[in-house]
Amino acid sequence: GAGVSQTPSNKVTEKGKYVELRCDPISGHTALYWYRQSLGQGPEFLIYFQGTGAADDSGLPNDRFFAVRPEGSVSTLKIQRTERGDSAVYLCASSLLRQPGNQQYFGPGTRLTVL
Amino acid sequence: KQEVTQIPAALSVPEGENLVLNCSFTDSAIYNLQWFRQDPGKGLTSLLLIQSSQREQTSGRLNASLDKSSGRSTLYIAASQPGDSATYLCAVTYTGANSKLTFGKGITLSVRP
Repeated sequence: GAGVSQTPSNKVTEKGKYVELRCDPISGHTALYWYRQSLGQGPEFLIYFQGTGAADDSGLPNDRFFAVRPEGSVSTLKIQRTERGDSAVYLCASSLLRQPGNQQYFGPGTRLTVL
Repeated sequence: KQEVTQIPAALSVPEGENLVLNCSFTDSAIYNLQWFRQDPGKGLTSLLLIQSSQREQTSGRLNASLDKSSGRSTLYIAASQPGDSATYLCAVTYTGANSKLTFGKGITLSVRP
């Protein structure tokens, strides 16, 4: 079946602009995660959804970052007033069940470049 | 602080060599540990997942071990091939962490023909 998809694959924007990054999880997966990977680093956790609600948003760096999952499937990560330091690859992952430690399946990522 | 460390950051070996990639973590209270592969400009591919109750997992030429008490895992790659060249990331799910993964920075492996 289809894996996790993310759009766009690349996004170039100017400092101060607003961007939206989309994630389509594997059908039926209830849990969805967003991570951010800066150059030369491992991915860092941003936010975790269980169904429609954000169960853990402790990784969001500041209030310019926000994510939604209104129908418990597709999720959108929104970044306001982008800064050059926001440039990174944004990865989305989903997993099937509620139990902690279930395997997460990753999408290809969105490479965000803020000029 | 719950951290995952991978040293060295890069490794270059000749084709055919058996090699070991190391991962260490700071807290033994984990659900599981995973090894991922990442090719340049691509997402993450899960290679092996070891539950906290397990000692090792094997898939083809890959074998991953887990020693919770010492906070260490190793990924063993047998008979390395140029196609194994990639970045290998270790990630831990700590208990009480809402299933979020804590990643190391990865080891970039180059296998020379």
